Amino acid sequence: EADIYQTPRYLVIGTGKKITLECSQTMGHDKMYWYQQDPGMELHLIHYSYGVNSTEKGDLSSESTVSRIRTEHFPLTLESARPSHTSQYLCASSEGWTSGTDTQYFGPGTRLTVL
Amino acid sequence: AQSVTQLDSHVSVSEGTPVLLRCNYSSSYSPSLFWYVQHPNKGLQLLLKYTSAATLVKGINGFEAEFKKSETSFHLTKPSAHMSDAAEYFCVVGNTGFQKLVFGTGTRLLVSP
Repeated sequence: EADIYQTPRYLVIGTGKKITLECSQTMGHDKMYWYQQDPGMELHLIHYSYGVNSTEKGDLSSESTVSRIRTEHFPLTLESARPSHTSQYLCASSEGWTSGTDTQYFGPGTRLTVL
Repeated sequence: AQSVTQLDSHVSVSEGTPVLLRCNYSSSYSPSLFWYVQHPNKGLQLLLKYTSAATLVKGINGFEAEFKKSETSFHLTKPSAHMSDAAEYFCVVGNTGFQKLVFGTGTRLLVSP
């Protein structure tokens, strides 16, 4: 079992609220990732980070933002949630410097529902 | 460019029978290939990984996969299904030329008693 944690596991909120999804890992990995996963669909990379103070946008455009102030922490924020943001959000981390070949370790996910 | 195609969205087997989950890939470079499993309300767990060593890769829980370059395939097999194998399985491709992994759309494995 990988040491990567996400909170909350489930979140139901109203439109317009600001939310932060937390992700922490205790493995000391430099690279971290956020994926969005809709039911029955593949994972889409929305953000990633090479290390502290590094953040990059992924393949899928997202209105969310991320920060990486500490190695172990990679929170995702939505300033104003909308129903279109309803999805599962998965956080992952990897050890090496070659993301294309490194094993990624995943957290349990946060299932977000925006009413 | 790289891509991965999981040929079946759902596979149904009976407990004790073999499992075959099919995956084809496309990659401009020598690929790394992964199979991940996702149980309901859980994150993804690595089953096995291929990185140009042995073409037959053994993973956890009795799963294995064979890399076939001529067929650009990386099918996942298990000789005997267990009820606990029921989950979503993702085939994933990556390589050193790209900094990201590409996930397939997943195959849902259903195991009946």
